[in-house]
Amino acid sequence: KQEVTQIPAALSVPEGENLVLNCSFTDSAIYNLQWFRQDPGKGLTSLLLIQSSQREQTSGRLNASLDKSSGRSTLYIAASQPGDSATYLCAAYNAGNNRKLIWGLGTSLAVNP
Amino acid sequence: NAGVMQNPRHLVRRRGQEARLRCSPMKGHSHVYWYRQLPEEGLKFMVYLQKENIIDESGMPKERFSAEFPKEGPSILRIQQVVRGDSAAYFCASSPRLDFGNTIYFGEGSWLTVV
Repeated sequence: KQEVTQIPAALSVPEGENLVLNCSFTDSAIYNLQWFRQDPGKGLTSLLLIQSSQREQTSGRLNASLDKSSGRSTLYIAASQPGDSATYLCAAYNAGNNRKLIWGLGTSLAVNP
Repeated sequence: NAGVMQNPRHLVRRRGQEARLRCSPMKGHSHVYWYRQLPEEGLKFMVYLQKENIIDESGMPKERFSAEFPKEGPSILRIQQVVRGDSAAYFCASSPRLDFGNTIYFGEGSWLTVV
């Protein structure tokens, strides 16, 4: 049974820092892995989707990597800004599982000005 | 191109009443998914539907919950005889086809409070 864990659960950093959010999964037979952002009382915004055949994806100040053999993904945020404050969720698509995403509990990020 | 539209955004129901949550997928999307986010818990898959078909309902509670995606109109998640434990955020997502190369798009969610 696939389980997704995110560490740390909460993170508070000063503006401008580079930071890394971690996501681990127990079953390496994942298809894709996706990172989302959730603001309080809001929906889910897709940040990056890493397909099974890829090792990383980049969008602006965000870079996500995927290492299936070790069961890990990281989300790297460069030069953090107060507007980055949100909860970051990773979700795994299990192979052959009809898009039944398995979610971590998220990392709550606060970037202080 | 409007995103995934969910309504109502917030819904308050008394115990025993019915709750109906609606989801209009993005234009051109024929696949709809419902997820539930309970307080202090992660998101959990509930059901996956295509037009007029339930493809996977393995995450749906056995009783009181049902979902549909008719040929015309939005997808509906229906909760009968609500209890306090049903209080949660319910998220709908859609995608154009079953293609793992494409992301799925989420709505803003419907927050159900049972009093």
